[in-house]
Parts: sequence; structure tokens; C-alpha cells
Amino acid sequence: NAGVTQTPKFRILKIGQSMTLQCAQDMNHNYMYWYRQDPGMGLKLIYYSVGAGITDKGEVPNGYNVSRSTTEDFPLRLELAAPSQTSVYFCASTPGLAGEWEQYFGPGTRLTVT
Amino acid sequence: AQTVTQSQPEMSVQEAETVTLSCTYDTSESDYYLFWYKQPPSRQMILVIRQEAYKQQNATENRFSVNFQKAAKSFSLKISDSQLGDAAMYFCAYLSGTYKYIFGTGTRLKVLA
Repeated sequence: NAGVTQTPKFRILKIGQSMTLQCAQDMNHNYMYWYRQDPGMGLKLIYYSVGAGITDKGEVPNGYNVSRSTTEDFPLRLELAAPSQTSVYFCASTPGLAGEWEQYFGPGTRLTVT
Repeated sequence: AQTVTQSQPEMSVQEAETVTLSCTYDTSESDYYLFWYKQPPSRQMILVIRQEAYKQQNATENRFSVNFQKAAKSFSLKISDSQLGDAAMYFCAYLSGTYKYIFGTGTRLKVLA
């Protein structure tokens, strides 16, 4: 299993540009999450999904959009990038079965908006 | 809303010694999960240990153990026989009944040779 994969690993955007961060998992997990981690800080939840076709906002959803058309993929869309979105973005998945609530994280995407 | 607080931004420990990292949380839920994650310089998040709130017994994983005090809403991590490879950021996390994870701000652990 590849686990949770994220692309790209690094990206520099200009203010106002848009992009999609890709996330995929091959573990058939129902639950998927997007976080951002600002320097020296913990993870803040952007969006999450409890299954294909179902998404919900987390703590910091403004400026982002998600979709979950399949169990495997959970892309994060940034519209009109702003310097405040400079961060490291992590995707994670969780089985969601009884007792199986550990999060499996991708390697992260470092995004810089200038 | 639930909150997670890690009041120690940085801790240091001598190699082979024991260190305890603190975590407190606030919730009105009775059933939940708690986790400690480790983030080394590689940025990869690694699960260290988990605790189900309904279990009285404290979780243990090799050199890592927790002191879970449900009434006090405290969930500290004890690392015994500290090793250089334990140096990392450690995050406490809470899983709510709405499937959202809330992370603390982290504690940077330095291990001194």
C-alpha cells in the first residue's frame, strides 16, 4: 500500500492564482481530512469528509473548497491565493471503524504565496 | 467547542532519562479518543499512542505511556529511557463525536546527549 499520497510536495503561487492540492489513499478509508500547519503551530482542520459525496467544514475553511467524488481521492482547491494561505498542508485518512480512529497522514505540501 | 492545550512550548531531557509532556482538554462529551502524535524534522506525523476515554487503564506502547485523568481532563505523555531519536514536536489530539480532530499547539522535545 502507498498509504496517503499528496502532490505536489512544494509549490509557489502568486497572489490571486488558484491551484488544487491532490490527496489520495489506497486503504479504503471512509474518513479523510485536510489540515494546515503554520510555522511553529499545531494542525488546524480545513475540511473533512466522512465518505464519498459528503464533506463538511472544519475550523478554517475560508478560501478553500473540497470535493469527494470517490473514496480514494480528496482534492483541496485554493481559489484566489493570498499570502495568509502560505502554510504546510497535510491530508489524512482514518478507517472510521470501531476502535480504528488513528489518522494516517500524507507527507505534506509546502505552499508559498507571494 | 472542544479545546486542547499544551502549556509547555519546549522541554529538554537528558538521554536515558524520563520526561513528561502535559496536555489538557476541555469537552462536554463522555466518550472520545485522545492521541499523541510525533512530528520529527521530516514533517511526517507519526502516531505515538492512543487512549479511549471509556477505558480506565492507561495506554502503554513500549517506552511511551500516558497518564489519563478523565475527571481532570488531563492526558500527559511519559517517555522513559529517552533516546536521541525521540527529539521532535509532540502534538496532543482529541477526536470529537462529530469526527473532527482538534490538535494542541505542540511541545518541542529536545534530547541532550
